[in-house]
Amino acid sequence: GAVVSQHPSWVICKSGTSVKIECRSLDFQATTMFWYRQFPKQSLMLMATSNEGSKATYEQGVEKDKFLINHASLTLSTLTVTSAHPEDSSFYICSASSGSTYNEQFFGPGTRLTVL
Amino acid sequence: SQQGEEDPQALSIQEGENATMNCSYKTSINNLQWYRQNSGRGLVHLILIRSNEREKHSGRLRVTLDTSKKSSSLLITASRAADTASYFCATYQGAQKLVFGQGTRLTINP
Repeated sequence: GAVVSQHPSWVICKSGTSVKIECRSLDFQATTMFWYRQFPKQSLMLMATSNEGSKATYEQGVEKDKFLINHASLTLSTLTVTSAHPEDSSFYICSASSGSTYNEQFFGPGTRLTVL
Repeated sequence: SQQGEEDPQALSIQEGENATMNCSYKTSINNLQWYRQNSGRGLVHLILIRSNEREKHSGRLRVTLDTSKKSSSLLITASRAADTASYFCATYQGAQKLVFGQGTRLTINP
């Protein structure tokens, strides 16, 4: 099956610093990638959708200047949390899809971000 | 906002018993999917049922879909300790946006 990786798997940073998380589709070309955030014991909430070569589409309430998304190639998307604060501590999960509509999304293993 | 709502929120059963989880959604759907998430891990796709299907099986999993009631159920038969995880249903809101239910935390006691 399709494999999606994320790096790093966990990161601890100081408040005010920026953190970059990578999401890679290893064996297929991902025309669309998605970024989710999951707080403890809660469900996944979609943050943004990014199509290769286009600007990301952010969900309501998600600050695009704080969560920078780049989808420069068909196998890589990055999420940068800028000026991180403790409330940004969460589990960030990406997914990738090779199609445009109703296609199965393949999920990465997630990145645990802790901001001190 | 979350389209899917699941119940129960938590379920604890003995190994070997069957586990049933329910999901309700609000709008019309193209398909409904179930995922499993082990603690602190990513999601594993379990099964997809299309809107014109009523029941689907995959190994020990059985999924039903009732579009008239806007609900779905996931049955895991002969549960094992390794089935301990959170289970989420998900539906598409529009063509690309996957919206997840709140999830059911399933614990299988040995």
